[in-house]
Amino acid sequence: GEDVEQSLFLSVREGDSSVINCTYTDSSSTYLYWYKQEPGAGLQLLTYIFSNMDMKQDQRLTVLLNKKDKHLSLRIADTQTGDSAIYFCAACNNAGNMLTFGGGTRLMVKP
Amino acid sequence: DAGVTQSPTHLIKTRGQQVTLRCSPKSGHDTVSWYQQALGQGPQFIFQYYEEEERQRGNFPDRFSGHQFPNYSSELNVNALLLGDSALYLCASSSPLGKETQYFGPGTRLLVL
Repeated sequence: GEDVEQSLFLSVREGDSSVINCTYTDSSSTYLYWYKQEPGAGLQLLTYIFSNMDMKQDQRLTVLLNKKDKHLSLRIADTQTGDSAIYFCAACNNAGNMLTFGGGTRLMVKP
Repeated sequence: DAGVTQSPTHLIKTRGQQVTLRCSPKSGHDTVSWYQQALGQGPQFIFQYYEEEERQRGNFPDRFSGHQFPNYSSELNVNALLLGDSALYLCASSSPLGKETQYFGPGTRLLVL
């Protein structure tokens, strides 16, 4: 089945850009997602990209998809302390009904 | 417009007991999925309900069962609770026109003692 991997931790200074990386194994994944989770809360959908795209920009967020290498990244421009959270990458199966999540990347933003 | 709601927010049970968790989808959504998130890990897919039937199931034992009602709300039942069932249980809903995009509720935190 699908396997999604992320690095565990990223620390940046306020105002810098953050780049969170993710790899997945199933080339038939249709959509790829980025979710944000703050302490004690559920998952907030940040953005998603369809597998036939290679880039999507949404305000401070830029998603890059390299389908050949099965690599997804999320760039957050002008990172703020409020961006401190755990970020999850997820891949949707071909049937469009099941998400497989990575283990999450904890982003710490220092003032 | 209310998002996905879940109840209760927290629950404490003992081993061997049974638990029922509830979820109301976002307005206009007809599909409900359940995920288990153990501490420090990513969510894992349990199953998905659509038209009151289980459409897809993840790698979870039969102790985990569910139901969807005509108003699209859903229940997750777990029988014979184990210590390892302690986790955050997340419900997600999706709409008929965007079924690939799932919106999550705040979760129910279950502690099994």
